[in-house]
Amino acid sequence: DAGITQSPRHKVTETGTPVTLRCHQTENHRYMYWYRQDPGHGLRLIHYSYGVKDTDKGEVSDGYSVSRSKTEDFLLTLESATSSQTSVYFCAISGAGPANTQYFGPGTRLTVL
Amino acid sequence: DAKTTQPNSMESNEEEPVHLPCNHSTISGTDYIHWYRQLPSQGPEYVIHGLTSNVNNRMASLAIAEDRKSSTLILHRATLRDAAVYYCILREGPYGGSQGNLIFGKGTKLSVKP
Repeated sequence: DAGITQSPRHKVTETGTPVTLRCHQTENHRYMYWYRQDPGHGLRLIHYSYGVKDTDKGEVSDGYSVSRSKTEDFLLTLESATSSQTSVYFCAISGAGPANTQYFGPGTRLTVL
Repeated sequence: DAKTTQPNSMESNEEEPVHLPCNHSTISGTDYIHWYRQLPSQGPEYVIHGLTSNVNNRMASLAIAEDRKSSTLILHRATLRDAAVYYCILREGPYGGSQGNLIFGKGTKLSVKP
């Protein structure tokens, strides 16, 4: 199994509070991704990173920010959580190129009350 | 982005082969065909991928049509642990698309009966 972990695995928070989710890899992969999964929508890309300090927006980036100060860590921050951000969040890692496999973390279940 | 079409659901009996179809009529010459699956309460898991030729690995086989407009994921002997949602995804060449991310559709939910 690819070395990718997410923390926390579960979190319950209140509307308006900041939340940070962490993705950690031990594979030295260049690309890291944050997806969210909601019923009826499948997985959708929030933000991604193509190197240290190199990040860009995905399909559903509003309300989220990311940072990558080290190759192994990719942080997803909800500056002020809203109920619409209740979801399961998955981190993924990959090498470059279309033949490369993406490896997914176990997910973080976030509930915003 | 190139799109794929899969049946919403399929059923199989345990220890029988399963053929999961995928149509991708707008595939371009450099797009790779990837299959992932997602077991309940888990993250997606890589199954197999290919470009033009059929591929085999320990999990499954991938049969790609000669015109590349469709493909079939073959599980040779389904087990209860194979019950999952299976996603057929095209990764754009040469860099997997501008973002390199996977674009997930709704996939095929496979049920396996004992």
